[in-house]
Amino acid sequence: DAGITQSPRYKITETGRQVTLMCHQTWSHSYMFWYRQDLGHGLRLIYYSAAADITDKGEVPDGYVVSRSKTENFPLTLESATRSQTSVYFCASSETVINTEAFFGQGTRLTVV
Amino acid sequence: KQEVTQIPAALSVPEGENLVLNCSFTDSAIYNLQWFRQDPGKGLTSLLLIQSSQREQTSGRLNASLDKSSGRSTLYIAASQPGDSATYLCAANGSSNTGKLIFGQGTTLQVKP
Repeated sequence: DAGITQSPRYKITETGRQVTLMCHQTWSHSYMFWYRQDLGHGLRLIYYSAAADITDKGEVPDGYVVSRSKTENFPLTLESATRSQTSVYFCASSETVINTEAFFGQGTRLTVV
Repeated sequence: KQEVTQIPAALSVPEGENLVLNCSFTDSAIYNLQWFRQDPGKGLTSLLLIQSSQREQTSGRLNASLDKSSGRSTLYIAASQPGDSATYLCAANGSSNTGKLIFGQGTTLQVKP
């Protein structure tokens, strides 16, 4: 199916565990993003990528790692999960950085216990 | 630092009413502004993208306007329907390097039959 897909949709993990959230897009968009959505904070950028092998930090990158070996995939890893990382995570992509829409995945609801 | 505000936080209207959702931003140096819809437990669906050089965009019953000088955007929904019930988010893109979107907190709309 065309579009942007995230997996898993729901995840429960324990404090201290490593967990990876997957994101896959079929459009070959250059730009990809990870946001988290929290009550009271709205959506905030964690990391972004301008192309394969090019990534950079966003507003709240601490505790997260990303990679982008292929244009279509942009996994987000929580190296040692903490309760404060309980959130809904959204992956997004766009063809260009300023002239085109950003498209979002369905989100991953992560609970750290 | 860009801040995006949406007022009101919640709105309830009877079916058929025309309504306006407001979005304000503090830094007028934006490249574009995007409106999204989010249904409960779902991802963000892009509704309209307004480039900084544009004054408005239309899609069906939706019309979005942009006034950079006053730091405001509005989303006009004509002849509202119960299916329009959702949270509406606006996001400002002020970075030509990252494509980072700064989101408002959203307006939750309920359209009553």
